[in-house]
Amino acid sequence: AQSVTQPDIHITVSEGASLELRCNYSYGATPYLFWYVQSPGQGLQLLLKYFSGDTLVQGIKGFEAEFKRSQSSFNLRKPSVHWSDAAEYFCAVGPYSGGYQKVTFGTGTKLQVIP
Amino acid sequence: NAGVTQTPKFQVLKTGQSMTLQCAQDMNHNSMYWYRQDPGMGLRLIYYSASEGTTDKGEVPNGYNVSRLNKREFSLRLESAAPSQTSVYFCASSDILRGSGNTEAFFGQGTRLTVV
Repeated sequence: AQSVTQPDIHITVSEGASLELRCNYSYGATPYLFWYVQSPGQGLQLLLKYFSGDTLVQGIKGFEAEFKRSQSSFNLRKPSVHWSDAAEYFCAVGPYSGGYQKVTFGTGTKLQVIP
Repeated sequence: NAGVTQTPKFQVLKTGQSMTLQCAQDMNHNSMYWYRQDPGMGLRLIYYSASEGTTDKGEVPNGYNVSRLNKREFSLRLESAAPSQTSVYFCASSDILRGSGNTEAFFGQGTRLTVV
């Protein structure tokens, strides 16, 4: 069965510091990987997605993620965090097509940004 | 663009009461989904509708029913609410383009439901 592990439940970083959120997945075929962000009181918004090509993928809001097949990881990074990045971040894995009914979401990492 | 609109945003129910959560999307997407979000458990799929006229169970369908009223609207009904259904409910929509992969899923703002 497919699964996603986000080992950090909470992370606190200082504004301006770099950020890395971890995501490990288990998937029996070529995975389609996503990072979504949920701001307080809001729905989820797609940051970036990856299926093939360059293993470093750029997303919105200055985020990037690196796919490492050998480590089954898809970690999210940002060089300099802004206070507005405080939110909960979800990694997800699924097939390339066929709808989101086959996509598994991780349990999320809540990011706190301190001045 | 409104995207995905859910109503209501908040609701308190007594055990045994029924209610319907409404969801509408204006992006002409074929697929719509209902999730629940509980602390430490991420998003779990309740029901989905791959296209107008079809609905299927997801991971946690017990205690819920759905109706795909038309291409725009997908409602979730709790027939007899239980405290275990206290959660935040999200509706989402997406599309599958021929020859391409899953598109971005768009989510509503959620309904925070408390069953007492």
